[in-house]
Amino acid sequence: NAGVTQTPKFRILKIGQSMTLQCTQDMNHNYMYWYRQDPGMGLKLIYYSVGAGITDKGEVPNGYNVSRSTTEDFPLRLELAAPSQTSVYFCASRPRQGGNTIYFGEGSWLTVV
Amino acid sequence: EDKVVQSPLSLVVHEGDTVTLNCSYEVTNFRSLLWYKQEKKAPTFLFMLTSSGIEKKSGRLSSILDKKELFSILNITATQTGDSAVYLCVLGAGGATNKLIFGTGTLLAVQP
Repeated sequence: NAGVTQTPKFRILKIGQSMTLQCTQDMNHNYMYWYRQDPGMGLKLIYYSVGAGITDKGEVPNGYNVSRSTTEDFPLRLELAAPSQTSVYFCASRPRQGGNTIYFGEGSWLTVV
Repeated sequence: EDKVVQSPLSLVVHEGDTVTLNCSYEVTNFRSLLWYKQEKKAPTFLFMLTSSGIEKKSGRLSSILDKKELFSILNITATQTGDSAVYLCVLGAGGATNKLIFGTGTLLAVQP
């Protein structure tokens, strides 16, 4: 069972570069999320989506963009990478029905230098 | 404003000790409360609580919810070094957005 798959696992970016973190889930979940986790801090919501074609900002959306063209995929784009975006990024999903159990991807470690 | 507060922020114990982690919350539209264990990777699911007073158990771990006093506790008995992790309390809110609100976690270190 694949669950939630994130790529890449590790990436080093230079300031000003752009990149996309990919996230896909094969559980037909409606809700998908992107979080970032800084050292010693809790997870902070960047963007979320309640279904294909619908996205919304979370707590810390600045510097990021998302799209949700299909139920399965929820890519996160960094347009102009900044050192403040050095973090671990987690994609997550959950079904609309059946409770709030969240399924996480394994995380993407991003360093901006 | 919906929020989750965990205490203590960190805790150091010796193997065999029993620990209690606390999670208090405020929410407009409660749906569920979840506990996760996070080591060096993604959080892994422990419990989901929706009803007051019903203890959930899994091995040495147990958790209970009090919806009147707005808190939950996570107990770990006979701790082992493998229990060392950050324990996250997550509040599931209902309504149109179905938000998930994360606490900052309790860092548990179990020493041999």
